Amino acid sequence: KAGVTQTPRYLIKTRGQQVTLSCSPISGHRSVSWYQQTPGQGLQFLFEYFSETQRNKGNFPGRFSGRQFSNSRSEMNVSTLELGDSALYLCASSFPGQRNTNYGYTFGSGTRLTVV
Amino acid sequence: DAKTTQPPSMDCAEGRAANLPCNHSTISGNEYVYWYRQIHSQGPQYIIHGLKNNETNEMASLIITEDRKSSTLILPHATLRDTAVYYCIVRPYNQAGTALIFGKGTTLSVSS
Repeated sequence: KAGVTQTPRYLIKTRGQQVTLSCSPISGHRSVSWYQQTPGQGLQFLFEYFSETQRNKGNFPGRFSGRQFSNSRSEMNVSTLELGDSALYLCASSFPGQRNTNYGYTFGSGTRLTVV
Repeated sequence: DAKTTQPPSMDCAEGRAANLPCNHSTISGNEYVYWYRQIHSQGPQYIIHGLKNNETNEMASLIITEDRKSSTLILPHATLRDTAVYYCIVRPYNQAGTALIFGKGTTLSVSS
């Protein structure tokens, strides 16, 4: 069974540009959540989508947005990039309410974004 | 904010049991205790979860106090590959719209 796939693995962007990151959840999982990880702030929750609807949102500016498609794949977008947006962006999938073998979230390996 | 408190770091000798404590004094009746770990540069990995009974799986054991205000994750025979940051999280069971809120976690260093 394939795991959570995030693309690309690495990305370098310039300040002011925008970026789109992709996440394909485990087959059958309908919930996708996104996290930002930096050395200073640790793992911070960005947002969670379930059945194409945003169910929860963390404390991030409006430059950070996301969406989920009917096949449960998700994308997140960051506009007007700042140096502080350099981070590891992690995606996790789960099947809310179902007792699967993980009983929780399965994370991808992340996308390492560097803003210069 | 995270609802748990963990020591920032712990050391363990290879082959010995690693006991990682977590305080969650404000845990609600419908909240479970989850443990995840993150090995350097990888995504967090689910370890175990529990409500009020002790739990054991192939990776670890989870001991939750009777008042549910604290818990201990036990790695019975730690190996070098168990060196990671361990996160204790409380949240309702697998419920859509309730995020995993990570604290700083405990950095476990296993040495030979």
